[in-house]
Amino acid sequence: QKEVEQDPGPLSVPEGAIVSLNCTYSNSAFQYFMWYRQYSRKGPELLMYTYSSGNKEDGRFTAQVDKSSKYISLFIRDSQPSDSATYLCAMSVDSWGKLQFGAGTQVVVTP
Amino acid sequence: EAGVVQSPRYKIIEKKQPVAFWCNPISGHNTLYWYLQNLGQGPELLIRYENEEAVDDSQLPKDRFSAERLKGVDSTLKIQPAELGDSAVYLCASSKGQGSYEQYFGPGTRLTVT
Repeated sequence: QKEVEQDPGPLSVPEGAIVSLNCTYSNSAFQYFMWYRQYSRKGPELLMYTYSSGNKEDGRFTAQVDKSSKYISLFIRDSQPSDSATYLCAMSVDSWGKLQFGAGTQVVVTP
Repeated sequence: EAGVVQSPRYKIIEKKQPVAFWCNPISGHNTLYWYLQNLGQGPELLIRYENEEAVDDSQLPKDRFSAERLKGVDSTLKIQPAELGDSAVYLCASSKGQGSYEQYFGPGTRLTVT
């Protein structure tokens, strides 16, 4: 069993809909939780970062961490075709060390 | 600010041949990472450098893979000999180091072994 589980999708939504993504994990030592966005033929870029449990909002993006359930989520409001990409959850024990990634969920936002 | 630079972007080689990838991190970033990304999977760490020192190479297949980061700036990852299963994207990332959570990724080198 992988340390981080993420549904690979694809997830297809109409423009303007809310996109809901999630990951589960097994290592209770993880404290730093991130969401990366990866466009085709590009490297991942950091979208959201959360330390420990709680919610964080940045524009149209909201990240949630529930350490008691070992479950993290990313919500994208008012989705746009430009949000079409693969979204990778990632987590680590310390802030600068090894990131453990999920497999990534491919999101397609149709006009 | 220039991003992480990787070259080449694409490489096609025959199995058993050697191959090398080069990475130039963001200026001032002390920590450098090499990740391997298979199709449909997330990146997996191969090696992490703090300046010139490899502080985490537990996932690096040392029988065929080697890496160096001379002078604590740019880095080279080598495979010799390459196998069919090495076909993947090799990503380099850098960060400011301890206490800095954001890793900046380069575009990657897509390796195809035939």
